[in-house]
Amino acid sequence: NAGVTQTPKFQVLKTGQSMTLQCAQDMNHEYMSWYRQDPGMGLRLIHYSVGAGITDQGEVPNGYNVSRSTTEDFPLRLLSAAPSQTSVYFCASSSPGSTTYEQYFGPGTRLTVT
Amino acid sequence: EDKVVQSPLSLVVHEGDTVTLNCSYEVTNFRSLLWYKQEKKAPTFLFMLTSSGIEKKSGRLSSILDKKELSSILNITATQTGDSAIYLCAVNTGANSKLTFGKGITLSVRP
Repeated sequence: NAGVTQTPKFQVLKTGQSMTLQCAQDMNHEYMSWYRQDPGMGLRLIHYSVGAGITDQGEVPNGYNVSRSTTEDFPLRLLSAAPSQTSVYFCASSSPGSTTYEQYFGPGTRLTVT
Repeated sequence: EDKVVQSPLSLVVHEGDTVTLNCSYEVTNFRSLLWYKQEKKAPTFLFMLTSSGIEKKSGRLSSILDKKELSSILNITATQTGDSAIYLCAVNTGANSKLTFGKGITLSVRP
């Protein structure tokens, strides 16, 4: 199993550009989520999904869109990038049926918006 | 609004010291508390604590949940430089796997 994969690993955008961060998992997990991590801020939830076709907003959803057409994939779209979106983005997945609620994290995408 | 607070935000110790990391929470529907370790990459899972499992231990690391005080501690004994990392505390409050994270504690272990 590859676990949770994210692409790209690094990305530089200009203000106003759009892009999609890709996330995929091969563990058949129902729950997937996107976090951003800024220095001294821990992990803040952007959007999450409890299954294909179902998404909901987290703590900091503004400026981001998500969709979940399959169990495996959960892309994060930045519609019009802003410097405030410079951050490290982590995708995570878990199974609600798990006894630990442990979330498995992808390797992260480091995004810089200039 | 659910809230998770970790303290201290950072600390520096020397190899061999024992450290205690704190996590407190104010949430509407507590289900479990999780500790993660993050070393320059993705967080990795350490422990989960629930009402029915309030103490966990693995090697030099141990953690206790105090449901009365709404808090948890993570102890690391005989620290090593490899313990240098950010330690994240998170609380699960829903029927799904949604987690609320604290800001993390940056631990630096000096040789």
